[in-house]
Amino acid sequence: GDSVTQMEGPVTLSEEAFLTINCTYTATGYPSLFWYVQYPGEGLQLLLKATKADDKGSNKGFEATYRKETTSFHLEKGSVQVSDSAVYFCASGGGGSYIPTFGRGTSLIVHP
Amino acid sequence: KAGVTQTPRYLIKTRGQQVTLSCSPISGHRSVSWYQQTPGQGLQFLFEYFSETQRNKGNFPGRFSGRQFSNSRSEMNVSTLELGDSALYLCASSPSGLSQETQYFGPGTRLLVL
Repeated sequence: GDSVTQMEGPVTLSEEAFLTINCTYTATGYPSLFWYVQYPGEGLQLLLKATKADDKGSNKGFEATYRKETTSFHLEKGSVQVSDSAVYFCASGGGGSYIPTFGRGTSLIVHP
Repeated sequence: KAGVTQTPRYLIKTRGQQVTLSCSPISGHRSVSWYQQTPGQGLQFLFEYFSETQRNKGNFPGRFSGRQFSNSRSEMNVSTLELGDSALYLCASSPSGLSQETQYFGPGTRLLVL
């Protein structure tokens, strides 16, 4: 079945550091790919998405490019802020599964 | 549009009791999915309802059940609670329930079983 693997956390960075959170997927067909973010005490919310190969999703300074050749959708941000501290989930949907597939989540902690 | 709402936000129950959680989706969304989130297991899919019918089901025991009403609101019930049922229960709605659609999550109900 479909699966999503993302790097384990926590990822701890200083403010203004560069962020990369790795995500790879396995799926039949051509899934859409998502990054969701969960702030403390809240549910998940969509951060960005990409629906086909080579698409780049972007939002709030975060970017991720749909790489079909490497089956990856790595999340990047050039300069993180303390307010970016949250748990980030990579997900796929529309591949071989009738339900979305979520990764385990990666906790990001940004220190001032 | 109002977002997904879940009630109650917090619950404390004892082993053996049962509990009912409620979820109101975004207006116009016909699909509601339920997830259990724990530190050890991450986000696990419970079930999905569309037009009052359970369409997909995860790998949870029969103690976990749900239903959806004609206005798309959904309830989830857990009977004979166990300590391991302590978790954050999230519901998510989407327009058609297609897996490639964006899921819109509620804030969750945090259940503590003593």
